[in-house]
Amino acid sequence: AQSVTQLDSQVPVFEEAPVELRCNYSSSVSVYLFWYVQYPNQGLQLLLKYLSGSTLVKGINGFEAEFNKSQTSFHLRKPSVHISDTAEYFCAAREETSGSRLTFGEGTQLTVNP
Amino acid sequence: DADVTQTPRNRITKTGKRIMLECSQTKGHDRMYWYRQDPGLGLRLIYYSFDVKDINKGEISDGYSVSRQAQAKFSLSLESAIPNQTALYFCATSDQDWGDSYNEQFFGPGTRLTVL
Repeated sequence: AQSVTQLDSQVPVFEEAPVELRCNYSSSVSVYLFWYVQYPNQGLQLLLKYLSGSTLVKGINGFEAEFNKSQTSFHLRKPSVHISDTAEYFCAAREETSGSRLTFGEGTQLTVNP
Repeated sequence: DADVTQTPRNRITKTGKRIMLECSQTKGHDRMYWYRQDPGLGLRLIYYSFDVKDINKGEISDGYSVSRQAQAKFSLSLESAIPNQTALYFCATSDQDWGDSYNEQFFGPGTRLTVL
């Protein structure tokens, strides 16, 4: 069975600083990987996804993530954050054989301070 | 109008009461899901449905039941609510997979349920 671990529950940063949110997964088969963002009092929306091909994927709002198969990681990065990036971020994985079911990590609360 | 709607948005109830949370979507998707979100645990899948006649248990289905009344509607019921079912509940939808592609899940705004 697959699992997803987000290594930091909270990440405080200052505005315009770079940020990395860490995600590791475990699975015995090939996986598809996703990052979702949840703004306060809202549902989740997709930031980016890795299905195959280039290991560096770009998403909305200037975020990108790199798939590293040897380290089973899919870390999310942004070179310069804004106050409006304050939100909770979820890493998720889907095994090829899981029939579109997602397994989510615990979430990382990103707080951007002025 | 939102593509995925959930009603009610907030609900406070008492232990032992029956509660139904409703989800409707206008995206025309076949697949629908119910998750619960708890602090520090992320989202966990309760039930999912790939079409009106196909309903499956997720990882935490005990204490819950679902009904897929139509392609666009998927309801979650708590037959006898208990305090540890206090959580934020999300409905989501997705299209069918096509070949090697994966279509993202679209989430509703959530229902905050408190069981006293």
